[in-house]
Amino acid sequence: DTEVTQTPKHLVMGMTNKKSLKCEQHMGHRAMYWYKQKAKKPPELMFVYSYEKLSINESVPSRFSPECPNSSLLNLHLHALQPEDSALYLCASSQVGGRPNTGELFFGEGSRLTVL
Amino acid sequence: SQQGEEDPQALSIQEGENATMNCSYKTSINNLQWYRQNSGRGLVHLILIRSNEREKHSGRLRVTLDTSKKSSSLLITASRAADTASYFCATADGSGNTGKLIFGQGTTLQVKP
Repeated sequence: DTEVTQTPKHLVMGMTNKKSLKCEQHMGHRAMYWYKQKAKKPPELMFVYSYEKLSINESVPSRFSPECPNSSLLNLHLHALQPEDSALYLCASSQVGGRPNTGELFFGEGSRLTVL
Repeated sequence: SQQGEEDPQALSIQEGENATMNCSYKTSINNLQWYRQNSGRGLVHLILIRSNEREKHSGRLRVTLDTSKKSSSLLITASRAADTASYFCATADGSGNTGKLIFGQGTTLQVKP
């Protein structure tokens, strides 16, 4: 069982809707990530939060808005999405620092998003 | 942008046989990791090899790293039907501090019972 929990597992939304994806971890990790994965493709990094601060934004369109309310939670707010945004959205977490920093990621099971 | 390229893209073998997947990358790395993904599920970390290591074992997994050729291989010995999944290599950037991982294109492995 994964220790990173994502909700909802499935989401269908129209292009004018506003919805949110949620991610929670209780491993004490201080780095959290959003990845987007299209069918038969590798995960693509979207955002990285380190110590609750946005540290990496991979030029993601503003219709995707991340939020990290505390060290255990990560949200992805969705607004005015396009059908091509339909994908599996994966949340992950990892330790930060350490000697050496492993970068090993712990993934949730993902939220499958369909935009109509 | 994706850094890693994996081959083969797809591999089909019989149970009990060994499976070898290769990964190439372009820039300097801190470490290289392998992940498994069952269809429609999240990714699971398998093994990590650091840039100063050449070979690492974990159970039925053997990973090699050749930094001069910027390549790595994953060997799964005595494969089982449950090993059927997609396998991705992922590289951490040279500083190793950001935790940013870039995934390769992946190899889809089918193990026939």
